[in-house]
Amino acid sequence: DTGVSQDPRHKITKRGQNVTFRCDPISEHNRLYWYRQTLGQGPEFLTYFQNEAQLEKSRLLSDRFSAERPKGSFSTLEIQRTEQGDSAMYLCASSLIIEGDGYTFGSGTRLTVV
Amino acid sequence: AQKVTQAQTEISVVEKEDVTLDCVYETRDTTYYLFWYKQPPSGELVFLIRRNSFDEQNEISGRYSWNFQKSTSSFNFTITASQVVDSAVYFCALKGGSGAGSYQLTFGKGTKLSVIP
Repeated sequence: DTGVSQDPRHKITKRGQNVTFRCDPISEHNRLYWYRQTLGQGPEFLTYFQNEAQLEKSRLLSDRFSAERPKGSFSTLEIQRTEQGDSAMYLCASSLIIEGDGYTFGSGTRLTVV
Repeated sequence: AQKVTQAQTEISVVEKEDVTLDCVYETRDTTYYLFWYKQPPSGELVFLIRRNSFDEQNEISGRYSWNFQKSTSSFNFTITASQVVDSAVYFCALKGGSGAGSYQLTFGKGTKLSVIP
């Protein structure tokens, strides 16, 4: 297991189109997180899963955003009807269910909406 | 609410100089965890260190050292004898020990470090 993998690395889409990103966490990690990072800012929490259950969603996650983690393995993040304001780096991370455990982040998917 | 402040937006140093990156945090939790991450141009966040709120012992790892002071709510990071490969954006982050904040990291805005050869 080489870490957290994200696909694609880059995505350019036209405004109004739907996009889907994939994240493959470290296999033994129960928790999976999605963060969004805009230029010049730190990552901001979007949502997290414990196994297959989505346990928390940030208010940043509008109804155009949906995330899934079927079978508690990989996860997908879909954005419908993309807007220019959705342009950002979308980071996935995973961790064990241990208090204070650090996260392992993937390299991210950079989305550009034109 | 939790908050992390990294007041230094950008720092430039000449190679071999020492540099300290500041981090100040706010939390009401009695148990919490502090982290530093490095983000090189490739974009991946690389974990550097984790400290829990009960352990104020400073830590040194090679050229890196961390100074945790609860009295001033600070967790500063020093790079000794900086190298060009240290050029990156560095993020300080906070996670609560229980409740709603225990699963998410709250990041500062980051400090961009440029090491000039």
